[in-house]
Amino acid sequence: EPEVTQTPSHQVTQMGQEVILRCVPISNHLYFYWYRQILGQKVEFLVSFYNNEISEKSEIFDDQFSVERPDGSNFTLKIRSTKLEDSAMYFCASRSPGTPGYTFGSGTRLTVV
Amino acid sequence: RKEVEQDPGPFNVPEGATVAFNCTYSNSASQSFFWYRQDCRKEPKLLMSVYSSGNEDGRFTAQLNRASQYISLLIRDSKLSDSATYLCVVNSNAGNMLTFGGGTRLMVKP
Repeated sequence: EPEVTQTPSHQVTQMGQEVILRCVPISNHLYFYWYRQILGQKVEFLVSFYNNEISEKSEIFDDQFSVERPDGSNFTLKIRSTKLEDSAMYFCASRSPGTPGYTFGSGTRLTVV
Repeated sequence: RKEVEQDPGPFNVPEGATVAFNCTYSNSASQSFFWYRQDCRKEPKLLMSVYSSGNEDGRFTAQLNRASQYISLLIRDSKLSDSATYLCVVNSNAGNMLTFGGGTRLMVKP
C-alpha cells in the first residue's frame, strides 16, 4: 500500500535554530498538507499546498514557517527560528484529486529545548 | 464554541460490547465528514467517510445528521484491537483543510 514517508522520525533542536522536516507524499497525489499535534492536544491544520503554491494556511503558520516542494517528490516544512512551543508531532499528508481521504505520514516528533 | 466537539472519554468496554461515539460540528457549510483512528503517538488513519444516508463497514456504522450537525460512530462486537482514540474530522473548505475533534478514547478490555 502506498504511503507518505516522513524524515526524521524524531528531531531535537535548540531554541532559535532552524529545522527542516521532510516528507515524500504518495507519487500520484497532488494535494499536500502539514498538520501538527502538540502532546495531549488535537491535530491542527498548518498549511495546504497545491500546484506549487500555498492554497490555505492557518494562524499558526506565521512568518517563521515555510513550505517548499523542491523537486518532484519531496515536500518540506521549514521552521526558521524554533520556539519551545513549536515542540509537537508534525504530520505530512497527501491526497489524490477526487478522493476525500487523506493519507498521513507517521510524523516527525520535534522537540525544542 | 469548539468547531468539532467530542466527548474525550475514556470509554472502557468489555470485548464484544457495542459502543457509540458522538460528535457535533459548528460549521453548517461543512462538506465532508470522516472518522479517523489514532493509536498512541501514531498518525491518524482514515477509518471511514460518513455519508448522509449512513454507511457501514463491517462492524463499524457511521451516521450523519446535517440538520443537527451531528455525527456518530457505532462499533459492534468490540475487539481488543479497537482500543484507540477515534477522531471526528470535518472538511469545511472543499478539501483544503481538515478540522479535527479532540478525539474519544476507547479502551476494550478482555
